[in-house]
Amino acid sequence: GENVEQHPSTLSVQEGDSAVIKCTYSDSASNYFPWYKQELGKRPQLIIDIRSNVGEKKDQRIAVTLNKTAKHFSLHITETQPEDSAVYFCAASIGNYGQNFVFGPGTRLSVLP
Amino acid sequence: NAGVTQTPKFQVLKTGQSMTLQCAQDMNHNSMYWYRQDPGMGLRLIYYSASEGTTDKGEVPNGYNVSRLNKREFSLRLESAAPSQTSVYFCASFSYLGTDNYGYTFGSGTRLTVV
Repeated sequence: GENVEQHPSTLSVQEGDSAVIKCTYSDSASNYFPWYKQELGKRPQLIIDIRSNVGEKKDQRIAVTLNKTAKHFSLHITETQPEDSAVYFCAASIGNYGQNFVFGPGTRLSVLP
Repeated sequence: NAGVTQTPKFQVLKTGQSMTLQCAQDMNHNSMYWYRQDPGMGLRLIYYSASEGTTDKGEVPNGYNVSRLNKREFSLRLESAAPSQTSVYFCASFSYLGTDNYGYTFGSGTRLTVV
């Protein structure tokens, strides 16, 4: 079955710097890759996603890149702010249904003032 | 418009006790899910329901049962709780979220402790 690895497990950056979180997946049939942000004590929320027919997608300070050949995708956050501090989860779709996902273990991002 | 509502928010059980976690969504979504979240392990799928009247096992179904009562409600039952089931449980529904985004809307979570 699908296996999603995520690195690093923790990441500390200075406010204003960039942060990059990387994920790899094993199932070449996966075709949809969402990213979720979870603030302390709150529910995960979708922040950006990418489909297999696209190599990059941007939304303001957040971007995601996908390399289908290498089976890895990355989240890039530029000009980090304290409110970006959270746990970030990547996920990869599984099965023909396309609405089930395997999640990575998460990255705890801390943005230091 | 409440989205996905989960109850209870907190629960402490003794080993062997049973309980049902309730989940309801008011967004007319077909697909609903139950995940558990443990430190360092991300979110793992317990059961899902692709549509009213159907349920399927996910990655970690042992020790759980589910019921898709109607399109709105999807409940998770622990028949005989074990300490290994101590976790945070999230219910979710899947749909179009706008601006070409598809994904989950999660409930607020249930923090369950089994002693």
